[in-house]
Amino acid sequence: LAKTTQPISMDSYEGQEVNITCSHNNIATNDYITWYQQFPSQGPRFIIQGYKTKVTNEVASLFIPADRKSSTLSLPRVSLSDTAVYYCTYNTDKLIFGTGTRLQVFP
Amino acid sequence: SAVISQKPSRDICQRGTSLTIQCQVDSQVTMMFWYRQQPGQSLTLIATANQGSEATYESGFVIDKFPISRPNLTFSTLTVSNMSPEDSSIYLCSVEDLSLAGGSTDTQYFGPGTRLTVL
Repeated sequence: LAKTTQPISMDSYEGQEVNITCSHNNIATNDYITWYQQFPSQGPRFIIQGYKTKVTNEVASLFIPADRKSSTLSLPRVSLSDTAVYYCTYNTDKLIFGTGTRLQVFP
Repeated sequence: SAVISQKPSRDICQRGTSLTIQCQVDSQVTMMFWYRQQPGQSLTLIATANQGSEATYESGFVIDKFPISRPNLTFSTLTVSNMSPEDSSIYLCSVEDLSLAGGSTDTQYFGPGTRLTVL
């Protein structure tokens, strides 16, 4: 089973940049790295996906080093509404969720 | 993007009874998935449901306890049978998103979940 490791929780203040790093040492050559966001009482929501180097969309950036054994989700200038749990995942066969990182944004 | 609805959104049930959760998608999809999320925990995959074939269950989950139907490409049901308080969880269905490069199972759309409480 795919195993990921990320910090259990992080705190930030509005307007700051938040970086959440996830390790995935057993990632295979064909696997993409995908991050999800989950608010209370909702299902997870896709944020961003990447294979290598850097990917950016309107919500976040994803940095993946050359060895692909880790990835960093970057949220620029967070707001209170970014308070959520963030999961990194990888696996082309099954989608396995790790513990996730609970981000709390303070005013 | 796919729009997924689940019924019921929540329910309170007595132990020993069964509850069937419905998942409806607004477009045809090949693969649907059922997850369980216990309070404050991460998601655990229960089974994968493909139309026209038996569901594939993950370790720790069996068909007698969690029978699944997949009658067509837009609908699936999960039944939680002979419930006990340990079955109290949020149950979520999801479908694959084929529009992204990562493969069908890496990127999924999730329903809002069904919050089940067993007394």
